[in-house]
Amino acid sequence: NSKVIQTPRYLVKGQGQKAKMRCIPEKGHPVVFWYQQNKNNEFKFLINFQNQEVLQQIDMTEKRFSAECPSNSPCSLEIQSSEAGDSALYLCASSHRANTGQLYFGEGSKLTVL
Amino acid sequence: QQQVRQSPQSLTVWEGETAILNCSYENSAFDYFPWYQQFPGEGPALLISILSVSNKKEDGRFTIFFNKREKKLSLHIADSQPGDSATYFCAANPGGNNKLTFGQGTVLSVIP
Repeated sequence: NSKVIQTPRYLVKGQGQKAKMRCIPEKGHPVVFWYQQNKNNEFKFLINFQNQEVLQQIDMTEKRFSAECPSNSPCSLEIQSSEAGDSALYLCASSHRANTGQLYFGEGSKLTVL
Repeated sequence: QQQVRQSPQSLTVWEGETAILNCSYENSAFDYFPWYQQFPGEGPALLISILSVSNKKEDGRFTIFFNKREKKLSLHIADSQPGDSATYFCAANPGGNNKLTFGQGTVLSVIP
């Protein structure tokens, strides 16, 4: 069964290091989301794409975070200079169309910043 | 400001009982409400969802009851099984917007 594939499952980085996560959306889903889930189970929306174009993103994403969804390649989320507060589960989700809340999540990439 | 609130934070039921998880929201623009189930170490899985034009949605043992006037909804899990033990998130989406707003979750434990 097609599903959202995220790699790696776990990352451990030192403060100031880069952290990069990848996501392959579910087949046929043109819309991709990145969320951050912290240890208190709070979800924070980071960015979403439709095909290769950014739909929405939060201010935080514009500074140390960068993301892309190139055609024929996995989507990626990169943190340029990791901070301790970035330790969280990073979830990628995809959807069959924009303007729907019907999101299908991957297993997540758990980032630990030492 | 927490726009979607869930209660209780944790719930323990015996196998075979009905578990009732509550959710309330503030934004009248929310019109789609999915519930997600998340097991430790996994991503959230879409369990069941409802549109604000409906007041009830059933899928097997899972039922959502929705009260638009009171801005409340609940997830009923009938005949609870130990395998249902997980964290359940209520989420909400306003029409025309992609971003889901999540509640803080209810941790359900089902005792055999």
